[in-house]
Amino acid sequence: AQTVTQSQPEMSVQEAETVTLSCTYDTSESDYYLFWYKQPPSRQMILVIRQEAYKQQNATENRFSVNFQKAAKSFSLKISDSQLGDAAMYFCAYRGGSNYKLTFGKGTLLTVNP
Amino acid sequence: DTGVSQDPRHKITKRGQNVTFRCDPISEHNRLYWYRQTLGQGPEFLTYFQNEAQLEKSRLLSDRFSAERPKGSFSTLEIQRTEQGDSAMYLCASSIVARPLYEQYFGPGTRLTVT
Repeated sequence: AQTVTQSQPEMSVQEAETVTLSCTYDTSESDYYLFWYKQPPSRQMILVIRQEAYKQQNATENRFSVNFQKAAKSFSLKISDSQLGDAAMYFCAYRGGSNYKLTFGKGTLLTVNP
Repeated sequence: DTGVSQDPRHKITKRGQNVTFRCDPISEHNRLYWYRQTLGQGPEFLTYFQNEAQLEKSRLLSDRFSAERPKGSFSTLEIQRTEQGDSAMYLCASSIVARPLYEQYFGPGTRLTVT
């Protein structure tokens, strides 16, 4: 079974600084997709960024980028120029190529200090 | 897109009672998913529908749980004879083939408290 591990239960960053959230996963599949979701307090989960395993280029969405290391099964999220609105729980998620369900990590709670 | 909606947002019930939650996916989304999220954990997959067909059920979905999507639009999740261990946030998500990677859009969730 696939597993997703987020080793940092909590992280904090100063406004305008950069922070990196870690995620590792375990799978025997060759075709899969990885996601980072953001869940603000009492608000719904939204997709931040996605990465197809077959793509070598790391995904980027504005201030958010990933460092995808396929051999190491690592998928970290970098948030540049952190803003107060970035404060949330961040979940790393895995989806197999032939499956539709998402497998989530336990999450990392990000605090942004003004 | 009006977004995925869930009703109710909060439900408090006594142990042993039955509860039913509703999820309205984004219109034209043919796939619908239910997840459960307990405190301090990430969401865990419960079940998945494509149109009205329930295609996969997690082992987490005991006999007390049943989900339906009768006309391929909204879905209901019923829990019979609730137990304190059922207390959790129940999340619904939907997706459509046309979207890249079958991206799942989540609703706000229904928080269930069993007393």
